Amino acid sequence: EVQLVDSGGGLVQPGGSLRLSCAASGFTFSSYGMVWVRQAPGKGLEWVSGISASGGSTYYADSVKGRFTISRDNSKNTLYLQMHSLRAEDTALYYCARREGTYVMGGYYFDCWGQGTLVTVSS
Amino acid sequence: DIQMTQSPSSLSASVGDRVTLTCRASQSITTYLNWYQQKPGKAPNLLIYAGSNFQSGVPSRFSGSGSGTDFTLTISSLQPEDFATYYCQQSHTIPYTFGQGTKLEIK
Repeated sequence: EVQLVDSGGGLVQPGGSLRLSCAASGFTFSSYGMVWVRQAPGKGLEWVSGISASGGSTYYADSVKGRFTISRDNSKNTLYLQMHSLRAEDTALYYCARREGTYVMGGYYFDCWGQGTLVTVSS
Repeated sequence: DIQMTQSPSSLSASVGDRVTLTCRASQSITTYLNWYQQKPGKAPNLLIYAGSNFQSGVPSRFSGSGSGTDFTLTISSLQPEDFATYYCQQSHTIPYTFGQGTKLEIK
């Protein structure tokens, strides 16, 4: 069974740092790109960051560029999101998701999701 | 960034109704459009990818269509488990933006 388990969320003060993890199982992790998507309380979905299967390419939303870093350890089947300089507006439930598809064949889509980990930025 | 606009923002309907949800992109995204369903307290669930392709396990009452800038998700006969929020998402250009969602409620 394909499974993604998000962890690492918590309460952090503005300006603080946090590292989220996403443990993958049930599929060949090193063959898939991965993404982080967040959802502020009562709001919609926002794509935050993505990484290629090898880890050689990374992508960020403007709202987090320069503050967040996505990475992966294919030997540990784990995806990470290192977050620095956190702001109140970063408060959200953060989901990791598996990226499926190819750009040539209709684009990418997110077919498996973690359960989410809550990040609260507040003093 | 490509802006995705969904309409309506909310919709009340009854079991058995046929409903159509709309998603419009601010520029052409060909068929690089996905639909997700999200129930309260749960992660999103992929329904349709690349405009009209069914994700495995999705009931056939769901269908997607459209290309360019205008897309629709149709549920042919609403079932009780379909009452949820639906999001469209473009994968044409980074950042992969989502629509604001359509909340489908029981009438």
